[in-house]
Amino acid sequence: DTAVSQTPKYLVTQMGNDKSIKCEQNLGHDTMYWYKQDSKKFLKIMFSYNNKELIINETVPNRFSPKSPDKAHLNLHINSLELGDSAVYFCASSQVLSGGGYNEQFFGPGTRLTVL
Amino acid sequence: AQTVTQSQPEMSVQEAETVTLSCTYDTSENNYYLFWYKQPPSRQMILVIRQEAYKQQNATENRFSVNFQKAAKSFSLKISDSQLGDTAMYFCAFGGRGSTLGRLYFGRGTQLTVWP
Repeated sequence: DTAVSQTPKYLVTQMGNDKSIKCEQNLGHDTMYWYKQDSKKFLKIMFSYNNKELIINETVPNRFSPKSPDKAHLNLHINSLELGDSAVYFCASSQVLSGGGYNEQFFGPGTRLTVL
Repeated sequence: AQTVTQSQPEMSVQEAETVTLSCTYDTSENNYYLFWYKQPPSRQMILVIRQEAYKQQNATENRFSVNFQKAAKSFSLKISDSQLGDTAMYFCAFGGRGSTLGRLYFGRGTQLTVWP
């Protein structure tokens, strides 16, 4: 019973194409995230949604557009792919607690995107 | 801005020995969480241990323990009785409860290799 799942796990595509990565969590969490891990393994947050509402939008090109149809799903669509978009993209989820805290973030298995 | 620094890009240890990974962070927040995640070659991000800043007692999880020094903004991870399966990239992460709620800031990681 997978907690946070992502599809696909590997994605190889040509420059200029448009692609999507899907994420689903069955933990009942209300907050979901997208992170990018570059070739040097540095992880940086891109977006966060809480109950389908965008709450974090870091400095990300507007070619990247997240969509949350419901609180269990957060998809990432990327237009006009560039070489520099090659990376591993992780989805994560957590539960914001009353009082302002939150539990730890649970990560999906990652999607390795290669742009040729 | 929050920053997390891991000054040891690589470390190695012999099986059954003890190793300590360093992490320092910078923040103006008083209430926050700190985490250690491991990323084995499988790429999965796995939570190792978490510490809440308001708790003075250092967190422990089986062979993993932390040395949390709030005044020094230091959060090191000690792995006792190292096992071959501990070989992984280890990331220290900071999670705020104030204006940065929901974001995890990661260090650049320490690649730990456990030798037989």
